[in-house]
Amino acid sequence: AQSVAQPEDQVNVAEGNPLTVKCTYSVSGNPYLFWYVQYPNRGLQFLLKYITGDNLVKGSYGFEAEFNKSQTSFHLKKPSALVSDSALYFCAVRDVNDMRFGAGTRLTVKP
Amino acid sequence: DSGVTQTPKHLITATGQRVTLRCSPRSGDLSVYWYQQSLDQGLQFLIQYYNGEERAKGNILERFSAQQFPDLHSELNLSSLELGDSALYFCASSPRLAGGYQETQYFGPGTRLLVL
Repeated sequence: AQSVAQPEDQVNVAEGNPLTVKCTYSVSGNPYLFWYVQYPNRGLQFLLKYITGDNLVKGSYGFEAEFNKSQTSFHLKKPSALVSDSALYFCAVRDVNDMRFGAGTRLTVKP
Repeated sequence: DSGVTQTPKHLITATGQRVTLRCSPRSGDLSVYWYQQSLDQGLQFLIQYYNGEERAKGNILERFSAQQFPDLHSELNLSSLELGDSALYFCASSPRLAGGYQETQYFGPGTRLLVL
């Protein structure tokens, strides 16, 4: 069965510093990977996805993610964090019958 | 604003009761998905409909059911409610392809259900 893992419950970074939110996956076939962000009392918002092609995927709000097949990882990155990036981030993997989300990583960016 | 609407925003009810949650997908989207988000279970996929037909089923309890109507709105029915059903229920929609797992899902704001 497919699954994703987000090994960190919480990530703290200072504003202006680079950020990384980690995600590893386990799938039997080709991975279809997504990152979503959830702000307080809001639904999830799509950030980016990897289907095929370039390993570096660029998304919304300056975020990008690097697909690494050998390490089965899909880490979310941003070169310079903003306080407004503070939110809950979910990695997800999709196949035809299911969508599995990680447990979420709470990102806090401090001024 | 994703374009997906959900009603009601909040719902408080008692154990044993039945409730109906409603979702209107983005204009033109044919697929609707339902998710449950709780503190202990995280975000779980419940069920997907495409153009009125059930397409995929996840961790949906037998007490729960859903349907998608000809106008593409969807309803999630929760019956014989238990305390553990208290959660945030999200609807999401995606365009066109039925089995298109490349499709991005657009989430509604959710319905917060509290069972007392």
